[in-house]
Amino acid sequence: EPEVTQTPSHQVTQMGQEVILRCVPISNHLYFYWYRQILGQKVEFLVSFYNNEISEKSEIFDDQFSVERPDGSNFTLKIRSTKLEDSAMYFCASTISAKNIQYFGAGTRLSVL
Amino acid sequence: KQEVTQIPAALSVPEGENLVLNCSFTDSAIYNLQWFRQDPGKGLTSLLLIQSSQREQTSGRLNASLDKSSGRSTLYIAASQPGDSATYLCAVLNRDDKIIFGKGTRLHILP
Repeated sequence: EPEVTQTPSHQVTQMGQEVILRCVPISNHLYFYWYRQILGQKVEFLVSFYNNEISEKSEIFDDQFSVERPDGSNFTLKIRSTKLEDSAMYFCASTISAKNIQYFGAGTRLSVL
Repeated sequence: KQEVTQIPAALSVPEGENLVLNCSFTDSAIYNLQWFRQDPGKGLTSLLLIQSSQREQTSGRLNASLDKSSGRSTLYIAASQPGDSATYLCAVLNRDDKIIFGKGTRLHILP
């Protein structure tokens, strides 16, 4: 069964460093999303992406964040200068149409030291 | 601003029992509502999606209902099994195309 894959599963970085989290959505999906979940808290929407541009973004998704679909398969989330409070699980999701079931990856645990 | 609340926060029941998880949301202008399962340290698995025009969806031992006007949804699990132990998340898709999640209900099925 097709699935969303995320790499790495765990990323450790120093405060102030740039990180890139990678996702490979399901191949025929057209809509892509990033979410984060701080330990013990709710899953929070970050950004949605369609047709090579951002569709929606939350207040969390500030200038430190960016997304890119550099080729036909990858979807990346870049955090330019990480802060301690960026430590969280980051989930990628994709769907074939905007109002349909979203399929989630297993997540990347980001630890900022 | 949409708020999604799930009650209870945690639930333990003996194996074999039927159970109901509750989700409420403050803004009824939604496209759909989705129930997910999250195992510890893992991603989210979609269980059921109910479109705003629907009242319920069923998959195996799971049944989800939606009462949009009152801002409520329930997830009914029949004949619970230890493998059902997980956190169950409710999420609504708003008209602004943002998904808002509840904090989840941690379910523990006692063998």
